Amino acid sequence: GAVVSQHPSRVICKSGTSVKIECRSLDFQATTMFWYRQFPKKSLMLMATSNEGSKATYEQGVEKDKFLINHASLTLSTLTVTSAHPEDSSFYICSATPGLRGSGYTFGSGTRLTVV
Amino acid sequence: GEDVEQSLFLSVREGDSSVINCTYTDSSSTYLYWYKQEPGAGLQLLTYIFSNMDMKQDQRLTVLLNKKDKHLSLRIADTQTGDSAIYFCAERGSNDYKLSFGAGTTVTVRA
Repeated sequence: GAVVSQHPSRVICKSGTSVKIECRSLDFQATTMFWYRQFPKKSLMLMATSNEGSKATYEQGVEKDKFLINHASLTLSTLTVTSAHPEDSSFYICSATPGLRGSGYTFGSGTRLTVV
Repeated sequence: GEDVEQSLFLSVREGDSSVINCTYTDSSSTYLYWYKQEPGAGLQLLTYIFSNMDMKQDQRLTVLLNKKDKHLSLRIADTQTGDSAIYFCAERGSNDYKLSFGAGTTVTVRA
């Protein structure tokens, strides 16, 4: 089945530093990838949609300069949290789809970011 | 945006059936999904149903869709302790690939 690998699974960083999270589709080409943020005991909040080779589309209220998304290839998208602050601490999850009609969405295992 | 609602908690005895309900508002939904999330993990796709279907069964899982009432349910037969998790309902509209998620139903299986 489709597999999406997300790394790192857990990261602790100091305030003011930047953190990069990678999302890779291992056995399919992902034309579209999504980045979500999940707060404790809450649902997933879509942050942005990224398509290979083009700029990401950010949801309302998400700062594109703070959450940099790069989708350089059909198998890799990265999310960089720039100048991280404690309020950016959260669980970040990516998902990918080959974009075919009827296809599902495969999720990564998530990244727990803690900013101290 | 589109609204998807679920009850927040469900407690079920081991061996009984679990039924998780979901309602949505987007009448143009094309696909509806059920995902399972265990603590500290990502989401695992359990099953999905196309909007022109009424029912889909896959081993212990049965999905029922009432498109007129915009109501989706997931039935888990013979619930096991390993079924304890958060279950998310999600819908996809006709215009893009975005998914709208419900808040998740925490299912607790008691012995």
